Amino acid sequence: QLVLTQSPSASASLGASVKLTCTLSSGHSSHGIAWHQQQPEKGPRFLMKLNSDGSHSKGDGIPDRFSGSSSGAERYLTISSLQSEDEADYYCQTWATGIRVFGGGTKLTVL
Amino acid sequence: EVQLLESGGGLVQPGGSLRLSCAASGFTFSSYAMTWVRQAPGRGLEWVSTVGGGGDDKYYADSVKGRFTISRDNSKNTLFLQVSSLRAEDTAVYYCAKDDSGGSYSNHWGQGTLVTVSS
Repeated sequence: QLVLTQSPSASASLGASVKLTCTLSSGHSSHGIAWHQQQPEKGPRFLMKLNSDGSHSKGDGIPDRFSGSSSGAERYLTISSLQSEDEADYYCQTWATGIRVFGGGTKLTVL
Repeated sequence: EVQLLESGGGLVQPGGSLRLSCAASGFTFSSYAMTWVRQAPGRGLEWVSTVGGGGDDKYYADSVKGRFTISRDNSKNTLFLQVSSLRAEDTAVYYCAKDDSGGSYSNHWGQGTLVTVSS
């Protein structure tokens, strides 16, 4: 079964960096994913598509502070030089024929 | 610029129906798969349904299969979701999203329309 697992919460200080993790279920380590950001009271925003080899393509207007990487079944989103507006929920998403799957989301708090 | 504008949400009684719409602009609508995703209050994102660019290929989450119907009118650049036999657990903000060229993930999102199922 295709499942994505995310930690429910993360925190980091203003100006620091944070690395969020999305883990693919067993047998699906070659899947690419997409990362989405949802700021409070707003709709989601596409950040990037992230491949199993770590290559990624970002959405329109996404700052260079956002980057992605991969290792095995883990997919990472790194945000550097944290700003207050980065405080949001972050969701990973993957896909297979006829199905889309979202992770449970990580709530990022900027201290 | 891609724009997606949902409408049609509202308060409906259990067992009732609604038709959600999503008006799209800024891209060649018929060339892209489109997706509905919902978010219950205080919860995460849940995929609901996807339709291919031509309108023939349709996919549904198990939680809505047989009750929801996705469709599109490419002549009017509009996506629809007919939601029927509604339950309290269908209460959510429903988002329309444009998929990437491969029809794998969503790369543009609307602002959502709220569906509340309550007596």
